[in-house]
Amino acid sequence: QVQLMQSGAEVKKPGASVKVSCGASGYTFIGFAMNWVRQAPGQGLEWMGRIDPRTGVTNYAQTFQGRVTLTTDVSIATAYMELTGLTSDDTAVYYCGRGNLSFGPWGRGTLVTVSS
Amino acid sequence: DVQMTQSPSSLSASVGDRVTITCRASHDIRRDLAWYQQKPGKAPERLMFATSTLDGGVPSRFRGSGSGTAFTLTISSLQPEDLGSYYCLQYNSYPYTFGQGTKLEIK
Repeated sequence: QVQLMQSGAEVKKPGASVKVSCGASGYTFIGFAMNWVRQAPGQGLEWMGRIDPRTGVTNYAQTFQGRVTLTTDVSIATAYMELTGLTSDDTAVYYCGRGNLSFGPWGRGTLVTVSS
Repeated sequence: DVQMTQSPSSLSASVGDRVTITCRASHDIRRDLAWYQQKPGKAPERLMFATSTLDGGVPSRFRGSGSGTAFTLTISSLQPEDLGSYYCLQYNSYPYTFGQGTKLEIK
């Protein structure tokens, strides 16, 4: 079955960068886009962007433009989300989700904590 | 950007009740809407896409309807396992946007 395996929790200092991975299995990786969504503690869902692994084309939410970079390594069926210039407001669970339009399933999430 | 306004933000209902959650889009999104359920401490799971197409394994008590700017998620007979938060997502145009969420509690 389709599985998305995300990397483990991270603790970062303000100003640092974080790179979260999402390893895919159970389907043809280049057949589906990968979306990234984050959820701050006790808050709702926020779409960050998506990448098409076949073409490398990305779409980003303006909120994150310039700070987020989505990439993939097709050889190992893995997607990455890198976020730079971290602040405490970036403390959240980051999810990957497979899909060309709406998306599902999702990974289990990666908690990123930004703290001095 | 398309703004999604979801209501109510929370609701409490009894087992067996009919529950309705609505999402309104600031622009016409045709039927490009999905609904997600998030149980406490878990990742969201998609319930349906294209407004009303249920994902595999989703019970038939969940029903979606609407088009354009007004959409509804209905649970026909609430079950204890339906507790959690529900979100709508528009994927008609970038950036994709979620509703603010509805927290559903069981009385």
